[in-house]
Amino acid sequence: AQRVTQPEKLLSVFKGAPVELKCNYSYSGSPELFWYVQYSRQRLQLLLRHISRESIKGFTADLNKGETSFHLKKPFAQEEDSAMYYCALSGSGNTGKLIFGQGTTLQVKP
Amino acid sequence: NAGVTQTPKFRILKIGQSMTLQCTQDMNHNYMYWYRQDPGMGLKLIYYSVGAGITDKGEVPNGYNVSRSTTEDFPLRLELAAPSQTSVYFCASSYSKQGGYGYTFGSGTRLTVV
Repeated sequence: AQRVTQPEKLLSVFKGAPVELKCNYSYSGSPELFWYVQYSRQRLQLLLRHISRESIKGFTADLNKGETSFHLKKPFAQEEDSAMYYCALSGSGNTGKLIFGQGTTLQVKP
Repeated sequence: NAGVTQTPKFRILKIGQSMTLQCTQDMNHNYMYWYRQDPGMGLKLIYYSVGAGITDKGEVPNGYNVSRSTTEDFPLRLELAAPSQTSVYFCASSYSKQGGYGYTFGSGTRLTVV
């Protein structure tokens, strides 16, 4: 079964501390993975795609097929990073459906 | 540059009432989706469409219906509202059938059924 697991509902760190938001997936083929972010009172927006191997707002994520993980990392958290983060997997078939994890709320304290 | 527009933003329904959540996109995307967001549960796919005239069920379709008569519009219909349908509903569209370009989301509809 295709599944995305984000084990932490809430991650609380101090400003300037490193951040790692965990994401594990279950998928039999070659996965396409994404991170989405939802800031307070805003719509969900795409943060990262694993295929582009980019860094957005200081965040990076590396696909580890051996550990079936796609953790989101940032070396120095900022208060404006406080938001809900969702990891998502593009499922099989030509439908573009995304399977989302449960989400992790990141709280960056001053 | 509207993107994905959802209306209404908020709605309170009584049990047994019906309503339609509207979703319109102006990006000429073929792929459109309806998700519901519940605390601690993430986003669950209700229905999706790969083009005008084509719709299919997602993970949690019970109690909902959709139609896709045009590329732009993908309304979600609740026929007999139940408290379990209290949620935030998001519409999204995508350019790529592989999802590789990511979704564009609407701003959401917060629905309460009392």
